[in-house]
Parts: sequence; C-alpha cells; structure tokens
Amino acid sequence: GESVGLHLPTLSVQEGDNSIINCAYSNSASDYFIWYKQESGKGPQFIIDIRSNMDKRQGQRVTVLLNKTVKHLSLQIAATQPGDSAVYFCAENIANNAGNMLTFGGGTRLMVKP
Amino acid sequence: SQTIHQWPATLVQPVGSPLSLECTVEGTSNPNLYWYRQAAGRGLQLLFYSVGIGQISSEVPQNLSASRPQDRQFILSSKKLLLSDSGFYLCAWNRALRTGELFFGEGSRLTVL
Repeated sequence: GESVGLHLPTLSVQEGDNSIINCAYSNSASDYFIWYKQESGKGPQFIIDIRSNMDKRQGQRVTVLLNKTVKHLSLQIAATQPGDSAVYFCAENIANNAGNMLTFGGGTRLMVKP
Repeated sequence: SQTIHQWPATLVQPVGSPLSLECTVEGTSNPNLYWYRQAAGRGLQLLFYSVGIGQISSEVPQNLSASRPQDRQFILSSKKLLLSDSGFYLCAWNRALRTGELFFGEGSRLTVL
C-alpha cells in the first residue's frame, strides 16, 4: 500500500515504562492478525497473534487488543526494555486466491531510552 | 522443524548488472512463497508470491522477476539493475490454504551503485 513509501513513525519510551503501539487495519473481513518485531538488519520475527473472535490476548510481557468496531489493533509491551527497540509491524489476514494473504501495516519504530 | 535460507546476505552490484537472490525452505512441502522489499526506514512491500511450482503473481510492476523452479526454491532476478532496486529483500513462506504466521528469512541487503 501507500504506507510502505513513508518514513516510519517513531515511539520513544523510557526504559521500564509501558509501550503501546497502534495499528489501523483496512478490511472488516480480516479474520486473523499478527504483530511482528524487526530488529535492524534482520527479518521480522513473530511476537503474538489474535483471531477475530477474540478481543484480547496476552503473551509474555505483551498484550494484543483488537477492536473490530473501529478496525484497530494495538500491541502493549509491559516494562519496556532496551532489547525491545525495533520496528513493529501489524499484519491482517485477508483471504484471496492464494488462500490466505497477510497485508502489512507501515510499521512503527520503538526507541527505548535508558 | 522448518527453516528458511536466503543468500547472499549482502550484495553490492553496479547499475546495469544482473541479479539473482535465492531462497529455500526446508522441512515443509508445498509452501506459499513470497518476496518482499524494504527500503531503508520504510515498510514491507510485497513484490511476488507463489502458490506452486512455476506459479508467480506480481504485486507491483518493476524491473524484477521471480521464478519457482522447485517446490521449496524461490528466486528473485533482474537482467539489469537500477539504482532504485537497492534495498533489503526478504523471502517468506507460510502454509498453503491455512491461516497463520508468515515465516521470514534473514534478508538480503542489495546496494546498487
């Protein structure tokens, strides 16, 4: 989409604080959502996922919230650490002739200040 | 367990030269395969995806092409590189016809001079 050409928005947080990264998705028929973390020079890594029949899912220090009414997804990171500094991408699953296709958001850069 | 390999990890090429990036997946069969490009400080742009051998779908018109000569092999190519082809190229796979995670390789950084 158009967002891939834009510079990434940046969220700067203090070490130990909680972080909230937001994502708006486009398709009300999307049935599955994923958050990825990408460290510099590496491929994206899976963090947590959620299906559309849920509105909240918790992992280790991370929580994903899904609001289908406004098509909004958020990732909450508790007690943010320097190792959390990375770019975070949300993705929504949209069924097409390939079966399933993940469409990625533009990404948010998280910077953790010591 | 499944693994995905990309090579080369880093490549510096002159304008007008050819390109070949390779990606292989191990430990699964009939995966969907994808090539993404990421410009510096930008998001992920889907270039190509494949649901089977010889089946390639292109998402954006460009100077690049893709091929899938074997079930678990995906190749990104160009006959003549442009400066704008510089970027971080990511190969990925997921299980066909199943909703789920997309698994990424470690990426190939291409610099065209």
